[in-house]
Amino acid sequence: NAGVTQTPKFQVLKTGQSMTLQCAQDMNHEYMSWYRQDPGMGLRLIHYSVGAGITDQGEVPNGYNVSRSTTEDFPLRLLSAAPSQTSVYFCASTRTGTAWGEQYFGPGTRLTVT
Amino acid sequence: GQQVMQIPQYQHVQEGEDFTTYCNSSTTLSNIQWYKQRPGGHPVFLIQLVKSGEVKKQKRLTFQFGEAKKNSSLHITATQTTDVGTYFCAGPPDTDKLIFGTGTRLQVFP
Repeated sequence: NAGVTQTPKFQVLKTGQSMTLQCAQDMNHEYMSWYRQDPGMGLRLIHYSVGAGITDQGEVPNGYNVSRSTTEDFPLRLLSAAPSQTSVYFCASTRTGTAWGEQYFGPGTRLTVT
Repeated sequence: GQQVMQIPQYQHVQEGEDFTTYCNSSTTLSNIQWYKQRPGGHPVFLIQLVKSGEVKKQKRLTFQFGEAKKNSSLHITATQTTDVGTYFCAGPPDTDKLIFGTGTRLQVFP
């Protein structure tokens, strides 16, 4: 199993550009989530999904969209990038189907918005 | 909303010294999870505690869940350089969300 994979590893965007961060898992996990990590602030939940076709907002959803058309994939879209979105983004999944179980994290995407 | 704070924010220790990080939630937690993140890496699950007053050990690491289920601690005995990283606690306000603490960064000097 590859576990949770994320692409790209690094990305530089100009203000106003849009892009999609990819996340995929091959463990047949129903629950998937996106976090952003900023220095001194821990990980903050952006969006999550409890299964294909179902998504919901986390703590900091503004400026981001998600969709879940398959169990495996959970892409995160930045609609119009802003410098405040400079961060490290992590995707995670759990085998329990809820947020209560062990979170398996991907390697992260480091995004810089200039 | 739920807030999860950790103290201290940073801790520098000499190799062989003990280390403790504390996690405090503004609301009662159904369970608490602990993660370790090495520099440049991603968070890795360490343990989950569910019961009030629960204590679990993993080699030199001891995890405790408070009686009121609003706080938790992680204690490392005789730190080693391999313990370097940031330790996060996390608790769910409901079944669909996990709120992470602010983290404690541990540096170990040989």
